[in-house]
Amino acid sequence: AQSVTQLDSHVSVSEGTPVLLRCNYSSSYSPSLFWYVQHPNKGLQLLLKYTSAATLVKGINGFEAEFKKSETSFHLTKPSAHMSDAAEYFCVVSGGNNDMRFGAGTRLTVKP
Amino acid sequence: DGGITQSPKYLFRKEGQNVTLSCEQNLNHDAMYWYRQDPGQGLRLIYYSQIVNDFQKGDIAEGYSVSREKKESFPLTVTSAQKNPTAFYLCASSPGRVLTFGAGSRLTVL
Repeated sequence: AQSVTQLDSHVSVSEGTPVLLRCNYSSSYSPSLFWYVQHPNKGLQLLLKYTSAATLVKGINGFEAEFKKSETSFHLTKPSAHMSDAAEYFCVVSGGNNDMRFGAGTRLTVKP
Repeated sequence: DGGITQSPKYLFRKEGQNVTLSCEQNLNHDAMYWYRQDPGQGLRLIYYSQIVNDFQKGDIAEGYSVSREKKESFPLTVTSAQKNPTAFYLCASSPGRVLTFGAGSRLTVL
């Protein structure tokens, strides 16, 4: 079965500084990988997805992620954090049978 | 508008009672999923279904049951065998691998 490990349960950055949320995955198949965001008291929203095309994936709101097969990683980055980025972020892996498994989440705090 | 409807939004039950959470979608998606969300544990997969009359166990299926008699519907029953059922439950559907989520159902066992 597939699994993901989000390496940080909480990340705190200052507004205007870079964001790095780390995700490692395990999969027996060539995986599809996703990042979702959940703002407080709101539903989950897809940020970006990797499905075996370009390894650098651009998403919404200035986020991007790079698929590195040799490192089994799919880290999420943003050059400059905004207050509105404060939320919970989930890395998700999908294998050959369309099961979708979430990581434990990383809570991003943005300080003024 | 197309989407996923979960009901009820809030549900209270006594220990020893079974309860069924409803999930209906009008997106014509083949795949449907049930997740449980607990603080600090992310979303854990309970069951998923790729087609009508077929479903697979996820990572925490014990104490839960599902059915998929219609493409639009994927109800989840939380049985009395589930030792710690108080949680937030999310239903999702997908045409392939991008998930669309419902608003969730919060179950509290008294």
